[in-house]
Amino acid sequence: DTGVSQDPRHKITKRGQNVTFRCDPISEHNRLYWYRQTLGQGPEFLTYFQNEAQLEKSRLLSDRFSAERPKGSFSTLEIQRTEQGDSAMYLCASSLRASGTGKVYGYTFGSGTRLTVV
Amino acid sequence: GQQLNQSPQSMFIQEGEDVSMNCTSSSIFNTWLWYKQDPGEGPVLLIALYKAGELTSNGRLTAQFGITRKDSFLNISASIPSDVGIYFCAGQPLEGSGNTPLVFGKGTRLSVIA
Repeated sequence: DTGVSQDPRHKITKRGQNVTFRCDPISEHNRLYWYRQTLGQGPEFLTYFQNEAQLEKSRLLSDRFSAERPKGSFSTLEIQRTEQGDSAMYLCASSLRASGTGKVYGYTFGSGTRLTVV
Repeated sequence: GQQLNQSPQSMFIQEGEDVSMNCTSSSIFNTWLWYKQDPGEGPVLLIALYKAGELTSNGRLTAQFGITRKDSFLNISASIPSDVGIYFCAGQPLEGSGNTPLVFGKGTRLSVIA
């Protein structure tokens, strides 16, 4: 396993277009997270999945954003009708939640997808 | 929502010096993690802490989970040029029993002068 993979690494799109990003987590990990990071800030939580179930969405995730993890493996994040304010690094992370203790281990990030909306 | 206060925001140090940075929260956390991020890359996990008072080392890096469970510290000894980057603290709030996602600080930008 080579870690968390994200594709594409960079995306430039025109305002109003739709974009989709993909994340392949570490195979043994049951949790997958999407974060957004803008310049000079730490990553901000968007949403996460446990297996295929989407368990939480932040208020940052407007109606134009949708995420899926259809088979509990890879995930996609789609942004519809992109706006300039959507320009950011989109980070995916995966982790393992131990069923006994409930503790979450190995929060590993991918290299991110940098989105520029022009 | 939860917020972490990370300080300092930036540091300029001479090669060979030791570095200290810290992170505080207004509520109790059950996990503290420290990450390093290079330009254009995702954060890379440096140290994970799971118990109050825990002190863990990874090479020249040492981190501690504060006894109050509201803070954490990262020390880097004998800094070298490749230590340059942005260091983030991240914590998992105690509320939610492991269901609450990590919250991040705003980062400490470290510059090392050779």
